[in-house]
Amino acid sequence: QSALTQPASVSGSPGQSITISCTGTSSNIGRYNIVSWYQQHPGKAPKLVIYDVSERPSGISNRFSGSKSGNTASLTISGLQTEDEADYYCCSYAGNSDLIFGGGTKLTVL
Amino acid sequence: QVQLQESGPGLVKPSQTLSLTCTVSGGSISNSDYYWSWIRQPPGKGLEWIGYIYYSGSTHYNPSRRSRLTLSVDTSKNQMFLKLSSVTAADTAVYYCARLTVATMKFDYWGQGTLVTVSS
Repeated sequence: QSALTQPASVSGSPGQSITISCTGTSSNIGRYNIVSWYQQHPGKAPKLVIYDVSERPSGISNRFSGSKSGNTASLTISGLQTEDEADYYCCSYAGNSDLIFGGGTKLTVL
Repeated sequence: QVQLQESGPGLVKPSQTLSLTCTVSGGSISNSDYYWSWIRQPPGKGLEWIGYIYYSGSTHYNPSRRSRLTLSVDTSKNQMFLKLSSVTAADTAVYYCARLTVATMKFDYWGQGTLVTVSS
């Protein structure tokens, strides 16, 4: 399967909100509510910020939220902070025990 | 607090086999609630799921890597292993091991990653 489609980059100013989209197909995002999002700072391992489309792990700020409509999942970060600047990756269950990542989105906080 | 640590050679020659170990601490690799997975990231590129293994030894591989990939587990040592055969420069990447929850298929704990370069 091809990678899920994410915008290469998004940007926002401190305090603003941004949304990162993740587009798949009816075989992955459209079929299963098993979408997770990961934040990766340069040189660091990815960190889980959203799972099951919209659930936040313990310790993750409520500024992070997730949603899904059809074949597209979205990650919204509200009240942008400078430490939110990172790469973000979506991941979906794709059936047959397979998983698939998005290509990643670089968030710049201006 | 669960911790994962990857280890192995940082340099592998083309056509040889890449071998990595992931050591789990702070939790048991035999916990039935989790799979144990490998994910890689070529320099400057995105994440790619490679495969995962259950403590019983049951495996599932990314279809695009299945022919060259072998995952195994040693529950007595709380370790899992990756072997990728016939490597090329395209296999150069940071390799991460991660814990994958069975119920929600989320990677909730990650190792720090280890860079493997394929070069003669």
